[in-house]
Amino acid sequence: GAVVSQHPSRVICKSGTSVKIECRSLDFQATTMFWYRQFPKQSLMLMATSNEGSKATYEQGVEKDKFLINHASLTLSTLTVTSAHPEDSSFYICSARLMGQGPHGYTFGSGTRLTVV
Amino acid sequence: DQQVKQNSPSLSVQEGRISILNCDYTNSMFDYFLWYKKYPAEGPTFLISISSIKDKNEDGRFTVFLNKSAKHLSLHIVPSQPGDSAVYFCAARGIGTASKLTFGTGTRLQVTL
Repeated sequence: GAVVSQHPSRVICKSGTSVKIECRSLDFQATTMFWYRQFPKQSLMLMATSNEGSKATYEQGVEKDKFLINHASLTLSTLTVTSAHPEDSSFYICSARLMGQGPHGYTFGSGTRLTVV
Repeated sequence: DQQVKQNSPSLSVQEGRISILNCDYTNSMFDYFLWYKKYPAEGPTFLISISSIKDKNEDGRFTVFLNKSAKHLSLHIVPSQPGDSAVYFCAARGIGTASKLTFGTGTRLQVTL
């Protein structure tokens, strides 16, 4: 089946630095990628939707200058957390929309645990 | 404003019994509802879905029921197995929202021996 490879799985960074998270679609083309954030014991909250070759659409309340999303190719989407602060510590997950697969055509990455110290 | 809610954060069920996980929603502009299973530090994996025009969908041990008038859906797992222990999320796909999913807060299911 379609697989999205997400890296790194875990990262610890110092406050004020930037962290890049990559999601690669293996053996399929991901026209649309969704980025989620999950705080402990909470829901997966959609941060933004990216389409290959165009600017990402951010959800209300998500700072686009802080969470930079790049979807320059059909197999790679990246999320960069800029000037990270401890409150950005969370679990970040990407999800690719699989065209022609019906309503359940979403495949998720394995997630990235970000800890900002 | 949480549009999709799972009011039970946890559920414990004995192996072989039925597990019933519940989900409520407030927005009628959803065309599909999906259930996902998630282990810690992993992405969600798809279990089963149901169209908003249906009231039941069954796949093996998993059955999803939809009550549109009550804006409520439930996932039944029978018989429950220890390997079913995980966090279960319901999600709703918005109509005309570029296929965005709205997730519930999750229910942790523990299947005991």
